[in-house]
This record gives sequence, C-alpha cells and structure tokens, in this order.
Amino acid sequence: GAVVSQHPSRVICKSGTSVKIECRSLDFQATTMFWYRQFPKQSLMLMATSNEGSKATYEQGVEKDKFLINHASLTLSTLTVTSAHPEDSSFYICSAQRGYNYGYTFGSGTRLTVV
Amino acid sequence: DAKTTQPNSMESNEEEPVHLPCNHSTISGTDYIHWYRQLPSQGPEYVIHGLTSNVNNRMASLAIAEDRKSSTLILHRATLRDAAVYYCILSPTGNEKLTFGTGTRLTIIP
Repeated sequence: GAVVSQHPSRVICKSGTSVKIECRSLDFQATTMFWYRQFPKQSLMLMATSNEGSKATYEQGVEKDKFLINHASLTLSTLTVTSAHPEDSSFYICSAQRGYNYGYTFGSGTRLTVV
Repeated sequence: DAKTTQPNSMESNEEEPVHLPCNHSTISGTDYIHWYRQLPSQGPEYVIHGLTSNVNNRMASLAIAEDRKSSTLILHRATLRDAAVYYCILSPTGNEKLTFGTGTRLTIIP
C-alpha cells in the first residue's frame, strides 16, 4: 500500500514553454504533498508543501510564480514549471504521507530537460 | 530543523551485515528518526522509522541509542540491490516536511 505515482517520468521541453508534472496518491488520500528538486550529485531540496484546497507553502528562494502548485483533490497535486529555462533542468520528486504512523512515500521522479 | 550527521560513504561486502551510523545530538523529544534510501535516478524509498525503541521490519532494523542522540540502521545481509544513498532524517510527529542532508553512499562489494 501507500503508492505515489508521478508523471511524466521524463520530459524535454523548449526554453520558454511550460511543463506540468502530476503526482497522485493511488491508494490513500493525502491532504499534504511535498515537492522536491534534485540537481546532479546533490541531495533533495524541498521546494514547497502542497495543501489540498489551499495555497501551497513555498520554501525560501523558490519563486511561487514560476513553480505553480495546484492540489485540487485529496489524491492529486500538480507542479507546473512556467517559462522554463535550462537552469530549471533537474529531477523533480513528489511525496506524501499516508498517516503519521507511516513513512513518507515518494514518486519515482520526473527528469526535466529544458533545451 | 534538528540536524543529522552521517559519513559520506561506506563500503560493505555482499551478504554481510551493514551498520550505517547517524548522529543527531540536537534531537528533540518529539522527533522521529526516519531512514530513506535512494537508488540512482529514482525517488527515495522509505526504509524504517522510530521514536525511542528499536524497530525491525522486513528491510532493516533501527537501533536507537538510549539518549536518542544517535541511531544505527542495520541491514542484516547486504545485497547488490542495497547499494544506494541512505538518508537519516529527523521529523516531528504529524505531516511535516522532511529535510534531506547529504546521506551516506553505500557501496556493496561483490
């Protein structure tokens, strides 16, 4: 149990375009989901906390107008990278927790390449 | 956030036990100790978590020091598939964000 599905797994887009990444909890409801970014040979960095039915909470230094987060249902959160640039190329990962007695479940990640 | 300290890398022989240490001297009374691992090009995978008592599951064991200022993740019989970066993370109760450190890169020698 506690499966998080993330799509797409890989995406290549042109500079200036927008890309949407979906994160779904398949067998549990998640009022909160988390979005991370990971550059090569670095650790995961939390970008934002996605809250169902309300605005996301962004970490310091993360542009909320560039990384749009929508958490419209208890099983789906989306991250849209707007006006993507090559420096946005990274590995984006979402996670959710089934309940506080459980660990966190992570998606398989999305490799974004902006050309 | 309370910080953890882990060795950058460790090596172990296949089919032998592995003990991965983590220091967390500033842990608070409500912080859970989480362990996750990440294989190349994949999202992290939950391994185990605990509060005060030692914990066992099908993947590993977690040994927590009596003063809770350190813990050890134990893989009882390492396989090549256990080669990954292992992260030790403190998190308070509830649906709180996880802050990842640099972790320990575990290499398994055939």
